[in-house]
Amino acid sequence: GQQLNQSPQSMFIQEGEDVSMNCTSSSIFNTWLWYKQDPGEGPVLLIALYKAGELTSNGRLTAQFGITRKDSFLNISASIPSDVGIYFCAGSKGAQKLVFGQGTRLTINP
Amino acid sequence: NAGVTQTPKFRILKIGQSMTLQCAQDMNHNYMYWYRQDPGMGLKLIYYSVGAGITDKGEVPNGYNVSRSTTEDFPLRLELAAPSQTSVYFCASSYSVGTVTEAFFGQGTRLTVV
Repeated sequence: GQQLNQSPQSMFIQEGEDVSMNCTSSSIFNTWLWYKQDPGEGPVLLIALYKAGELTSNGRLTAQFGITRKDSFLNISASIPSDVGIYFCAGSKGAQKLVFGQGTRLTINP
Repeated sequence: NAGVTQTPKFRILKIGQSMTLQCAQDMNHNYMYWYRQDPGMGLKLIYYSVGAGITDKGEVPNGYNVSRSTTEDFPLRLELAAPSQTSVYFCASSYSVGTVTEAFFGQGTRLTVV
């Protein structure tokens, strides 16, 4: 089946550092979504991207839809303790089911 | 709006028992999904539905069954619970308007099979 490769699998950073993670696929997607999952909770949508090349921000978060439509990245600037969690990318080809990456587990040392 | 509601939140089953995990959404979404998430792992798709009366298998369907008799509800059935089905189960729903698709998740059901 379709696979999304998300990297890195885990990150250990100091508070205040910037974070970057990405997601790649062998096939083209029409929509890229980024989710965050807090411990014990369901994933929550952070950013949705709909057009190749699109760059979208949500506070300290910035995500881009790759020009090739086969990748996307998420950046978090000036990390804070509440950024801890698992970040998932997801892709969709429109009227089809979502495909999720394996997740990036972010740990922040104060 | 309640969004996506899952019940129960927690459940302990004995091996061989059966149960149904309930999922309901009030957003009139056409797509609904069931995922399982094992400790420290990502989401694996069990089953999904593109609309009432239509369901299809995901990556890990064995040991599960689903039905979609209405747009709102998408229950997941475990017939003979096994320890390998110990996991957190998430239901999600999404809509498509042209090429736009966003998914919203429930809070999860934590299932332990002993």
